[in-house]
Amino acid sequence: NAGVTQTPKFQVLKTGQSMTLQCAQDMNHNSMYWYRQDPGMGLRLIYYSASEGTTDKGEVPNGYNVSRLNKREFSLRLESAAPSQTSVYFCASSRYRAGELFFGEGSRLTVL
Amino acid sequence: QQPVQSPQAVILREGEDAVINCSSSKALYSVHWYRQKHGEAPVFLMILLKGGEQKGHEKISASFNEKKQQSSLYLTASQLSYSGTYFCGTEMDSGGGADGLTFGKGTHLIIQP
Repeated sequence: NAGVTQTPKFQVLKTGQSMTLQCAQDMNHNSMYWYRQDPGMGLRLIYYSASEGTTDKGEVPNGYNVSRLNKREFSLRLESAAPSQTSVYFCASSRYRAGELFFGEGSRLTVL
Repeated sequence: QQPVQSPQAVILREGEDAVINCSSSKALYSVHWYRQKHGEAPVFLMILLKGGEQKGHEKISASFNEKKQQSSLYLTASQLSYSGTYFCGTEMDSGGGADGLTFGKGTHLIIQP
């Protein structure tokens, strides 16, 4: 009954450090997404994976990389964190295009 | 391209009605509506696909005018539990593939007793 699980839930980094946000879904969904949410900006798509083995850029991909490790897992990597990447990150999955999005609980990242 | 939501914020008394609008300058394949409570993840409300069908439940419904690329969310006889931020998410009619949703900036809805 887990749905979409993200780790870690909180992280503080120094500028220039790297880290990976992990996301896993147990609903056998084909598509997975990473969004960031900033005050007053709504949710902005960073990267998505329409199916296992494919990844594509969203609106704000600069400074990020992703890996669709298998059908269940989709990770987001910050190679050299910057203060502008301070945000709440949400992973989501859907069964098919235009399908309902199921969101994880979010990961709050602070870059000092 | 990010859809435009209006109004930015609404304050209502319990039992009053609200309409939240979402518009896009691009041809749309679908419009989604989500509600987010403070500190929580967004939760799905409904999807409207190209075709103009109105969907919803008894007190929360939505319409999609594909000619105008506009969608509206209707909340009738609002309850305290309706408070939160409402987001529309749009998917372009690009002919195939999963392009991901583009969300508006949100509408803050506050319901007062």
